[in-house]
Amino acid sequence: AQTVTQSQPEMSVQEAETVTLSCTYDTSENNYYLFWYKQPPSRQMILVIRQEAYKQQNATENRFSVNFQKAAKSFSLKISDSQLGDTAMYFCASPNSGGSNYKLTFGKGTLLTVNP
Amino acid sequence: EAQVTQNPRYLITVTGKKLTVTCSQNMNHEYMSWYRQDPGLGLRQIYYSMNVEVTDKGDVPEGYKVSRKEKRNFPLILESPSPNQTSLYFCASRKLQDTQYFGPGTRLTVL
Repeated sequence: AQTVTQSQPEMSVQEAETVTLSCTYDTSENNYYLFWYKQPPSRQMILVIRQEAYKQQNATENRFSVNFQKAAKSFSLKISDSQLGDTAMYFCASPNSGGSNYKLTFGKGTLLTVNP
Repeated sequence: EAQVTQNPRYLITVTGKKLTVTCSQNMNHEYMSWYRQDPGLGLRQIYYSMNVEVTDKGDVPEGYKVSRKEKRNFPLILESPSPNQTSLYFCASRKLQDTQYFGPGTRLTVL
């Protein structure tokens, strides 16, 4: 079965500091996208950042960046200068193997709390 | 505005009373899917559709039905809801190799 593992169920960080959330996956696809989604208390699923697997350069979106290691199938999310509004559940997602590459499998999530 | 819409957003019903949760997207996406989210279990896929009239089971399809008669719509049907279907439901759509967009979620309670 396809698995996406987020090994940190909960994390906390002080405002303005940096935090890294880990994710490993096991797709056998060659060309694919990886995603991090954020779910704040409103429950809306919001895209944070995505990484194209065929690009060696790590994706960056303002304070959010990834450390993508394709051989290790690792895809961690770094949040710099953490803000109170970053408090949310974060989900990592990767495509399934063997087929159309449409289906995304999600990790169980990491609950991040940013403390003032 | 590109979006996925779901209705209703909140629903309280009783065991056995058939219900439908609608989902619509305006991005011309081929792929649509339904997820349920439960504490500690993350997001689990219920059903998905690759295109019009093409649907298939996801990881937890029991007790659910779907249809895809039009590209933009993908309703979720609970023929005889039970309390274990109390959950937060998300509809989502995407193009291959592209970002998946989610609806706002439907909070369902079955008494």
